[in-house]
Amino acid sequence: AQTVTQSQPEMSVQEAETVTLSCTYDTSESDYYLFWYKQPPSRQMILVIRQEAYKQQNATENRFSVNFQKAAKSFSLKISDSQLGDAAMYFCAYRGLSNTGNQFYFGTGTSLTVIP
Amino acid sequence: NAGVTQTPKFRILKIGQSMTLQCAQDMNHNYMYWYRQDPGMGLKLIYYSVGAGITDKGEVPNGYNVSRSTTEDFPLRLELAAPSQTSVYFCASRLDLSRRQFFGPGTRLTVL
Repeated sequence: AQTVTQSQPEMSVQEAETVTLSCTYDTSESDYYLFWYKQPPSRQMILVIRQEAYKQQNATENRFSVNFQKAAKSFSLKISDSQLGDAAMYFCAYRGLSNTGNQFYFGTGTSLTVIP
Repeated sequence: NAGVTQTPKFRILKIGQSMTLQCAQDMNHNYMYWYRQDPGMGLKLIYYSVGAGITDKGEVPNGYNVSRSTTEDFPLRLELAAPSQTSVYFCASRLDLSRRQFFGPGTRLTVL
């Protein structure tokens, strides 16, 4: 089975600064999707950003961008100009495109604190 | 649209009791999912459905059952609750494999 690893259980960032959350994954598939989800204290899972593995260009959504290194199987999330509302758990997730395309694999999460 | 709704929000069960977690979506999505999230962990897929009448096991299906008699509803059944099933349960749906997943607000279940 695919595995997703987030090696930073906790991170903190000063408001308005930039922070990078790390994620690595293991797969034998050549095409797949990668995701970052945000889970605030309300528990609602919110999609932050999505990357298709066949696309070389890194995905960007406003202040959120990724650094996708396919050969290294690395998928980090950069949050620029951090805001207090960014404080949450962040989960990296993987989904293949084979017959297991319905299976998402999640990392264990990184808890982000934003310091005013 | 209400999106993905889950009931109840909280529930405490005794060991051996049964219950059904309800999930409904009003977006006419074909795909629906049940996940569990244990403390300090990511989500793990329990069961999923690709359409009415079709369900399949995910990563951690033991101790659960599902049915999908309509497009809108995807209930999750616990027959004999065990402490290991204490978790937060999320339902999700999406239109097709190319679209994003929408999550419900979750159900916090405690089995004592």
